Amino acid sequence: EAGVAQSPRYKIIEKRQSVAFWCNPISGHATLYWYQQILGQGPKLLIQFQNNGVVDDSQLPKDRFSAERLKGVDSTLKIQPAKLEDSAVYLCASSLGPGQETQYFGPGTRLLVL
Amino acid sequence: SQQGEEDPQALSIQEGENATMNCSYKTSINNLQWYRQNSGRGLVHLILIRSNEREKHSGRLRVTLDTSKKSSSLLITASRAADTASYFCATAPYRGGTYKYIFGTGTRLKVLA
Repeated sequence: EAGVAQSPRYKIIEKRQSVAFWCNPISGHATLYWYQQILGQGPKLLIQFQNNGVVDDSQLPKDRFSAERLKGVDSTLKIQPAKLEDSAVYLCASSLGPGQETQYFGPGTRLLVL
Repeated sequence: SQQGEEDPQALSIQEGENATMNCSYKTSINNLQWYRQNSGRGLVHLILIRSNEREKHSGRLRVTLDTSKKSSSLLITASRAADTASYFCATAPYRGGTYKYIFGTGTRLKVLA
């Protein structure tokens, strides 16, 4: 069974530029999560999708971050414009259902904003 | 704010020794999960313990849960160099009509060969 795929693996941009991350979850997983993990900290949930609908985006900085999940499968997370403090690893995860189920994580995208 | 707080923040042991790390949380839960993260890699699920369970084993892993104290512990027995990683607890309290995953701050374990 293929795992969660993410791309790119690394990205370096300058502040005020825009960037997009892509995630392909495990087939059949209805729930998809995007996390931000700053160096030395635990992952912080940014947004959670159930199929193609958003069920929680309370910690997503909506003035600069946006996310969508097309047809309930792939998802993209965008930052525009980026700030220095956005430097982090962005992790995508999926699970069969919300909350109660084990999450499967992708390798992450490491973003450096200069 | 983080639901889970792990301690210690860092732990260094010799290969073959046991490693114990603890997690405390704030609200009622249905289950608690432990994840491992190797340097530069994504998180891997280790074990899930439900609120009606007190102890669970998986290979060299032993997890306990004390809901009255809102705490959990992860014990790794006979540690190996490959166990070097960060370990996180995660809970998913039900808030605002959905389950919201919250990860702790992590314990960084180093196993010396």
